[in-house]
Amino acid sequence: NAGVTQTPKFQVLKTGQSMTLQCAQDMNHEYMSWYRQDPGMGLRLIHYSVGAGITDQGEVPNGYNVSRSTTEDFPLRLLSAAPSQTSVYFCASSYSRDGNYGYTFGSGTRLTVV
Amino acid sequence: AQSVAQPEDQVNVAEGNPLTVKCTYSVSGNPYLFWYVQYPNRGLQFLLKYITGDNLVKGSYGFEAEFNKSQTSFHLKKPSALVSDSALYFCAVRVPNQAGTALIFGKGTTLSVSS
Repeated sequence: NAGVTQTPKFQVLKTGQSMTLQCAQDMNHEYMSWYRQDPGMGLRLIHYSVGAGITDQGEVPNGYNVSRSTTEDFPLRLLSAAPSQTSVYFCASSYSRDGNYGYTFGSGTRLTVV
Repeated sequence: AQSVAQPEDQVNVAEGNPLTVKCTYSVSGNPYLFWYVQYPNRGLQFLLKYITGDNLVKGSYGFEAEFNKSQTSFHLKKPSALVSDSALYFCAVRVPNQAGTALIFGKGTTLSVSS
């Protein structure tokens, strides 16, 4: 089924560990982004990409890295996990960077850092 | 600063009654406005959008939203609520960034429909 696929769905990390959250879309979308969702704070933009090889920071980029080597994939890397990074992470993609077509979201990755 | 606000953390309605979920925005230029719904343990789903044109926008599942430029609002409405409408609703607005645009989201409103 076409859409945005995120893996894993759940993950528990120890403080200081690193990991990569995977995101893949098969809709040939140009724009991809990562958000984190925290209670009472809505969704906050971490990083985004407007095409292969092009990435930039969003509202809360510290502690996270991204790369976009292909149109389909946009992994999010946690360099050294901290308890403050406990959150639900959503990847989203869009046909165009201007948002006219809305965003398609993945089902999320629930991350706990202990 | 450009922002979007959802003044109610929770809205409670009885099944069959009309519902309204409020959203106000603050952006420069013409706003692009969106509503998304999130069911438990799921990602966000697109409901509807306002780009230009008719102030009353119709979307999925019988929802509609009214754009009011003078009040800078974009309230989500449905004439007759269903128990299955119970979910978390997010209003979003497009804002410019270095890449062109990005969506920023409100904090969300939990809608609870009782039978």
